[in-house]
Amino acid sequence: QLQLQESGPGLVKPSETLSLTCTVSGGSISSSNYYWGWVRQTPGKGLEWIGSIYYSGITFDNPSLKSRVTMSLDTSKNQYSLKLTSVTAADTAVYYCAKTTDGYRNWFDSWGQGTLVTVSS
Amino acid sequence: EIVLTQSPGTLSLSPGETATLSCRASQNVRSNYLAWYRQKPGQAPRPLIYRASSRATGIPDRFSGGGSGTDFTLTISRLEPEDFAVYYCQQFGGTPITFGQGTRLEIK
Repeated sequence: QLQLQESGPGLVKPSETLSLTCTVSGGSISSSNYYWGWVRQTPGKGLEWIGSIYYSGITFDNPSLKSRVTMSLDTSKNQYSLKLTSVTAADTAVYYCAKTTDGYRNWFDSWGQGTLVTVSS
Repeated sequence: EIVLTQSPGTLSLSPGETATLSCRASQNVRSNYLAWYRQKPGQAPRPLIYRASSRATGIPDRFSGGGSGTDFTLTISRLEPEDFAVYYCQQFGGTPITFGQGTRLEIK
């Protein structure tokens, strides 16, 4: 059974870069069927799709965050990563990694447990 | 961007009753590409329904999804204690992918 696990700092200073990694187990990140996504959840805005990355490296971004988001893959470690630049308090959220199948525009069929990231000085 | 509006905000029912949750889209959801999730406190959302009416793996037939176009419903029959949680709809017919704001199902 495929599992996802987020990791990264729980506290980031304003204007700095948020970096998270999702480790995938029970399946290969190089599978041509899967798209690897990030979703965040805040009390104010609820659930928000951040973006997704395909095994080829092509990325799909939410225009609301596009200019600040970078995603990448590390196939040797079966991991993928998210970087969000110039963070503010509004980026404080629980960040989930989540997978879709057969297209990035699909339902999220597997989720990590989530990690809380707080933006504060 | 397709905006999803869920109603009611909170629904108070008793175990054994039937819950009907609504998700309305600001524009047509292509091919009924709509999913439903249940989220318990401290947990990630769990998929229940995809493509409006198909149950995800392991989801009992007490859960049923319906609707098309801009109006969708999630019906949960014979409510069990584990069903009292927050429910979200998500559309993936348009870009960007968007979620509704959630309906809280609480014990009456």
